[in-house]
Amino acid sequence: SYELTQPPSVSVSPGQTARIPCSGETLPKQYTFWYQQKPGQAPVLVINADTERPSGITERLSASSSGTTVTLTITGVQAEDEADYYCQSADSSGIWVFGGGTKLTVL
Amino acid sequence: QVSLRESGPALVKPTETLTLTCAFSGFSLSSSGVSVNWVRQPPGKALEWLAAIDWEDDKFYSTSLRTRLTISKDTSKSQVVLTLTNMAPADTATYYCARADGLNFGFDIWGPGTTVAVSS
Repeated sequence: SYELTQPPSVSVSPGQTARIPCSGETLPKQYTFWYQQKPGQAPVLVINADTERPSGITERLSASSSGTTVTLTITGVQAEDEADYYCQSADSSGIWVFGGGTKLTVL
Repeated sequence: QVSLRESGPALVKPTETLTLTCAFSGFSLSSSGVSVNWVRQPPGKALEWLAAIDWEDDKFYSTSLRTRLTISKDTSKSQVVLTLTNMAPADTATYYCARADGLNFGFDIWGPGTTVAVSS
């Protein structure tokens, strides 16, 4: 079955830039979405349709792509950014798939 | 205000069928492009997309679980129902429903989730 690959964890110090990659064969052809999930809470959509930030999402979050990898970038990382981040896209049949998630730790 | 809320049993026995209901408000599942999705998350593990139903009553299922899943909607009641047959301990998870407000849109509104444990 189709998979989206994310590193299990990323650690950065406050004020630095965090980059969370997501790799998958169909990413060049399908939209990618990103979600932030804090402990005990439902996920929150933070990047829509590759690069769009929904209303209310900080400008410090952005996304970019290169080939079969898309990357979520968080600039000026703050303690409140500590969370799990999931990418989502579709396989060649249009079926949704989530990545394995990346735990962002703010040192 | 758009909201969704999941409901269902907190505990089911192995081999039983799980039935979950997603009650939503603030939007219509008859509006073009709108879909309601089910996603689950086992304790300490990643999100897993399960199924979706859209405004045209088209249904979509996870490749790995399609033989066990059924999704349906009652537009008049603003509800979406998911059934998962032959429950096993590996199905223990928090189950979420979430809206996508158009084609190629992410899941912008999520319910709080309902926790289901599978145990005899």
